[in-house]
Amino acid sequence: LAKTTQPISMDSYEGQEVNITCSHNNIATNDYITWYQQFPSQGPRFIIQGYKTKVTNEVASLFIPADRKSSTLSLPRVSLSDTAVYYCLVGGTYSSASKIIFGSGTRLSIRP
Amino acid sequence: GAVVSQHPSRVICKSGTSVKIECRSLDFQATTMFWYRQFPKQSLMLMATSNEGSKATYEQGVEKDKFLINHASLTLSTLTVTSAHPEDSSFYICSARRTVGFQETQYFGPGTRLLVL
Repeated sequence: LAKTTQPISMDSYEGQEVNITCSHNNIATNDYITWYQQFPSQGPRFIIQGYKTKVTNEVASLFIPADRKSSTLSLPRVSLSDTAVYYCLVGGTYSSASKIIFGSGTRLSIRP
Repeated sequence: GAVVSQHPSRVICKSGTSVKIECRSLDFQATTMFWYRQFPKQSLMLMATSNEGSKATYEQGVEKDKFLINHASLTLSTLTVTSAHPEDSSFYICSARRTVGFQETQYFGPGTRLLVL
């Protein structure tokens, strides 16, 4: 299981673009990279998932370099409601043995 | 998106009683579900992997006789905390794995807050 490393916390302001980078040096060939958002007393919410290059949805973008040893979650024009903990996880290959292990996550604080 | 529900959302019980938590995948089938526990200000800790039609796989340090898991159908897994004690008070979260082709994604339930008095 690939171990991930993220900054413990980040601060930003409303309207700014926020980029959170995650390191996963031991990512396996078939592993996907998935990002989740968690608010207090709620379950993690799926944000985006990718395998390589760039993935974009209505909420965020995910940038994955060619070596796939890191990834960057990009949140455009954040608002106060984006204050949450963000988790980067790797895994998700088609295997009955695959499971997702959570790291410490990044606590993002957005200020007015 | 895929929806996973949990019931109850919160429960308060007396020490020594058993509590059952249900996890349902509402719009997809899940042969595999996962149970996590989360303490305040900490990350999610995987407790066990629930497999439909077979025994659950528990993580090291998690007592299987204490935390009974049943995955009787492709949309339902239950976690029963037996003889609950105050130290079992925590936030319990389940997830269901959805597979599309070779890609898997876990979707999480809203969590269940357990308070043991």
